[in-house]
Amino acid sequence: DAGVIQSPRHEVTEMGQEVTLRCKPISGHDYLFWYRQTMMRGLELLIYFNNNVPIDDSGMPEDRFSAKMPNASFSTLKIQPSEPRDSAVYFCASSGTFYEQYFGPGTRLTVT
Amino acid sequence: GDSVTQMEGPVTLSEEAFLTINCTYTATGYPSLFWYVQYPGEGLQLLLKATKADDKGSNKGFEATYRKETTSFHLEKGSVQVSDSAVYFCALVEYNFNKFYFGSGTKLNVKP
Repeated sequence: DAGVIQSPRHEVTEMGQEVTLRCKPISGHDYLFWYRQTMMRGLELLIYFNNNVPIDDSGMPEDRFSAKMPNASFSTLKIQPSEPRDSAVYFCASSGTFYEQYFGPGTRLTVT
Repeated sequence: GDSVTQMEGPVTLSEEAFLTINCTYTATGYPSLFWYVQYPGEGLQLLLKATKADDKGSNKGFEATYRKETTSFHLEKGSVQVSDSAVYFCALVEYNFNKFYFGSGTKLNVKP
């Protein structure tokens, strides 16, 4: 198995632009998680899905952030409009049991 | 509410030294406990887990014992290697609440 796949690996964009991050979970995993990691706040859970349905989005910072999971093999995290304070590494993780999460390599986002 | 507290880093050790990274938790129910490791430039990887009191999780020479009486899950390794240099995260999952809590991470530097 290729593991969790994220794209792009690096994204540099200007403030105000729309950013879309993509994730392909491990086949057969029912749970998908989006995290954000920064030096200041550490690792934060943004949202997670179970069987493609959003279960807990209480970590989504504000309305500029949205996440979708149209099918079992694909999810997106969108930021519109982006701001410099959104600069972080965004991780996608998937799990078959909820407890044992497998993380992707992350997308490093820089908003200038 | 539930939480995980880890010792502040960074921790700097010489190769073959003994490692302890402290982790304590607060939980309302009966959590499962985990250690994840993040190598530079990568996502988190599950290192070991324990699902009930007195369980010992172990992997790659690392061990941690679930101590309910002290609400702790300290990570230990008898002889660290340079390749163990990474950030280590303690985590807690409350099964009934489907909530996942990560500690702030402890960076380990091992010098040759």
